[in-house]
Amino acid sequence: NAGVTQTPKFQVLKTGQSMTLQCAQDMNHEYMSWYRQDPGMGLRLIHYSVGAGITDQGEVPNGYNVSRSTTEDFPLRLLSAAPSQTSVYFCASSYSVDRTEAFFGQGTRLTVV
Amino acid sequence: QQQVKQSPQSLIVQKGGISIINCAYENTAFDYFPWYQQFPGKGPALLIAIRPDVSEKKEGRFTISFNKSAKQFSLHIMDSQPGDSATYFCAAPPSGTYKYIFGTGTRLKVLA
Repeated sequence: NAGVTQTPKFQVLKTGQSMTLQCAQDMNHEYMSWYRQDPGMGLRLIHYSVGAGITDQGEVPNGYNVSRSTTEDFPLRLLSAAPSQTSVYFCASSYSVDRTEAFFGQGTRLTVV
Repeated sequence: QQQVKQSPQSLIVQKGGISIINCAYENTAFDYFPWYQQFPGKGPALLIAIRPDVSEKKEGRFTISFNKSAKQFSLHIMDSQPGDSATYFCAAPPSGTYKYIFGTGTRLKVLA
């Protein structure tokens, strides 16, 4: 099994550009989420989804959009990139939000110049 | 904003020593308390988890201790090895939400 696959692994954007970070899982998990990781800040939740067609905001949602049209895919869109969005982004999935292991992708390192 | 407070932020331990990392949460409706381990350049991966019907769980050199009344749980790494050098995260979804919130992480370095 591939698990959780994120693309791309690295990306450089100019301020104001938009892009989509892709996330796909093949474990039929209902719960998916996006985190950003910054030094000293840990993993901060951006958006999450409890199932296809259902999404909600996390701790730091501003500047990001998500959608969940299928169980497998959960893309993260940066609407107008800013230097403050320079970070490492992780997608995660789990069978449910509680009582089960979360599986993480390998991350996308994004730099906004 | 519900928080998950993790300490210390960083930890240096000699090979063979004991590493202890603590996690305190405010309220959670869930009964699953995990610790994740992350190596540089990789995504976090589950290390060990506990359900609150027991106060302690041991897997090899790794032990979770859980104190429900104090709303705290801790990770103990016995006989710490250089290969344990990584960042460790706890997690506790706040009650009334589906937000899977992590602590701020503890960077462990085990000296050879």
